[in-house]
Amino acid sequence: EVQLVESGGGLVQPGGSLRLSCAASGFTFSDHYMDWVRQAPGKGLEWVGRTRNKANSYTTEYAASVKGRFTISRDDSKNSLYLQMNSLKTEDTAVYYCARSSGGGTNDYWGQGTLVTVSS
Amino acid sequence: QSVLTQPPSVSAAPGQKVTISCSGSSSNIGNNYVSWYQQLPGTAPKLLIYENNKRPSGIPDRFSGSKSGTSATLGITGLQTGDEADYYCGTWDSSLSVGVFGGGTKLTVL
Repeated sequence: EVQLVESGGGLVQPGGSLRLSCAASGFTFSDHYMDWVRQAPGKGLEWVGRTRNKANSYTTEYAASVKGRFTISRDDSKNSLYLQMNSLKTEDTAVYYCARSSGGGTNDYWGQGTLVTVSS
Repeated sequence: QSVLTQPPSVSAAPGQKVTISCSGSSSNIGNNYVSWYQQLPGTAPKLLIYENNKRPSGIPDRFSGSKSGTSATLGITGLQTGDEADYYCGTWDSSLSVGVFGGGTKLTVL
């Protein structure tokens, strides 16, 4: 059974940093691209970024809203995905989901999400 | 402002059919597969349709997807109260090299 479990969310002040983790199980993690998607309270889904697999040199892509502030990384030996968030803004407050990307670019499995609140 | 455009809400009676549209451009829907997601209140999104019109295992055939040009449509027949949820379309934008979602459509089963 595919499982994605996010952790690391919490309350952080504007300008601060936070690192989210996503533990994957039930599939060959190293084969897959992985995405982060967020959802601000009462709002829709917003794609945050992607890391490709080793075969594609672990290249990353980011939404314009987080580029230069957020960094996605992965550790295939630990079946884990990470999101390092720096220079956080109040508008980064959201539930952050990790999602597996399958062929065709679809997000076929999602974690339960972790809430990040940026507030003073 | 989402890259993909969906109606904010749709509604229909139990047992009826509803369609949800998703409009984009040649750089996203026009040249990439479209997926549809269902988000029940308080839960994570769930994949409903992938590669424009395919259903993952366990998704009933009441749910269907189609794509034409730069638009896609989700259809739901035999509406049930349990279908009340937010529905999102999503795809890749090849020009921007980013993932994109629609703004979401809230389905109310009256």
